[in-house]
Amino acid sequence: DTGVSQDPRHKITKRGQNVTFRCDPISEHNRLYWYRQTLGQGPEFLTYFQNEAQLEKSRLLSDRFSAERPKGSFSTLEIQRTEQGDSAMYLCASSLALDSGNSDTQYFGPGTRLTVL
Amino acid sequence: QKEVEQDPGPLSVPEGAIVSLNCTYSNSAFQYFMWYRQYSRKGPELLMYTYSSGNKEDGRFTAQVDKSSKYISLFIRDSQPSDSATYLCAMPLNSGYSTLTFGKGTMLLVSP
Repeated sequence: DTGVSQDPRHKITKRGQNVTFRCDPISEHNRLYWYRQTLGQGPEFLTYFQNEAQLEKSRLLSDRFSAERPKGSFSTLEIQRTEQGDSAMYLCASSLALDSGNSDTQYFGPGTRLTVL
Repeated sequence: QKEVEQDPGPLSVPEGAIVSLNCTYSNSAFQYFMWYRQYSRKGPELLMYTYSSGNKEDGRFTAQVDKSSKYISLFIRDSQPSDSATYLCAMPLNSGYSTLTFGKGTMLLVSP
């Protein structure tokens, strides 16, 4: 399977603990995105990388959240001191951005469902 | 007002019906319009992608954009139970076309 993969698929943690999620994009894709989706809502953008560079962060990404993409391949999203409001599905997407300026197609992974007790 | 509005449904139809799903948006700068399908507990998958105004057809699916009304539609002909999913409209959030803003999604239920 050459799609976007995410690990773990489910995570249950206690409030105040730190959690880390991993995303492996489609291999030739240079852009990687993180979104958060809560029940009954569409995905909300968190941050994105082009290669190793983190180019944009949403206001939703508080200082407890940090994302990395150290070698321009896989990415990790860490949440420190989790709160119950962090409970959501965390989605990763990747795309191949070209210089044409056309909107690039984002392919989503299956998501990591986080439950904070 | 959110940038993209979508009726959450659920929309229930019998198999074989024609389905119409809609979104409105507020930002007249949006140029690209996408429809994603999301099955329960799965990530969204891209269904249709249109640029500017007009129609685009792909099999049983037709995407329509009316920029003058800031209104987009997805039509599904001969709906099947396997079409039961949540349908999300999405538009690039900025001029770099890098990030997407989504509607809430409309849940569609097609009964056999």
